[in-house]
Amino acid sequence: DTAVSQTPKYLVTQMGNDKSIKCEQNLGHDTMYWYKQDSKKFLKIMFSYNNKELIINETVPNRFSPKSPDKAHLNLHINSLELGDSAVYFCASSQDLGSAGVRETQYFGPGTRLLVL
Amino acid sequence: GEDVEQSLFLSVREGDSSVINCTYTDSSSTYLYWYKQEPGAGLQLLTYIFSNMDMKQDQRLTVLLNKKDKHLSLRIADTQTGDSAIYFCAERNTGFQKLVFGTGTRLLVSP
Repeated sequence: DTAVSQTPKYLVTQMGNDKSIKCEQNLGHDTMYWYKQDSKKFLKIMFSYNNKELIINETVPNRFSPKSPDKAHLNLHINSLELGDSAVYFCASSQDLGSAGVRETQYFGPGTRLLVL
Repeated sequence: GEDVEQSLFLSVREGDSSVINCTYTDSSSTYLYWYKQEPGAGLQLLTYIFSNMDMKQDQRLTVLLNKKDKHLSLRIADTQTGDSAIYFCAERNTGFQKLVFGTGTRLLVSP
């Protein structure tokens, strides 16, 4: 009965490689998000998608490209990985966006720990 | 503004009450949230409060909101060792339709 799931849980790769992280939610939500948590546990939004459309792109380098094939999935592709990309990436979803109510309450996945060597 | 600040650490003894504080800058925030992150895990929603409320109680958790001072607190009664985790407050930024998270408070509960 997993609500928001991410794969893989751990990802270790070399600088310069291209990698993808997948996210799926089975909550029937319309909005999905990607967050980055750095080594100091600081959590910052990267992207949000509502009904497969990009809503927020928070000054993320264009090496990061989110893709939403349908409302239940939001994948994150990263090109030319750099050392500074090492972090934990969290996917989240909410029922809605823009209604400023409980429908915007976000539910998080377990995270993907990315280490770039 | 988008700053949400929290103290970094809090240490309490089992059975005591814990109070985790948060200050924010966006006066138009509508909802404020508390999330818990256990080691190696994702963020778990604990509770939230609407900005027209002063207080919300949910079992051992009490949320207090002082909108004038832009101050939010989370009180955990009868703190247990299982409450040891990082606690994040977050505000829903009205203008930019996103959550802005605080820096997180690491709560350590000792037996």
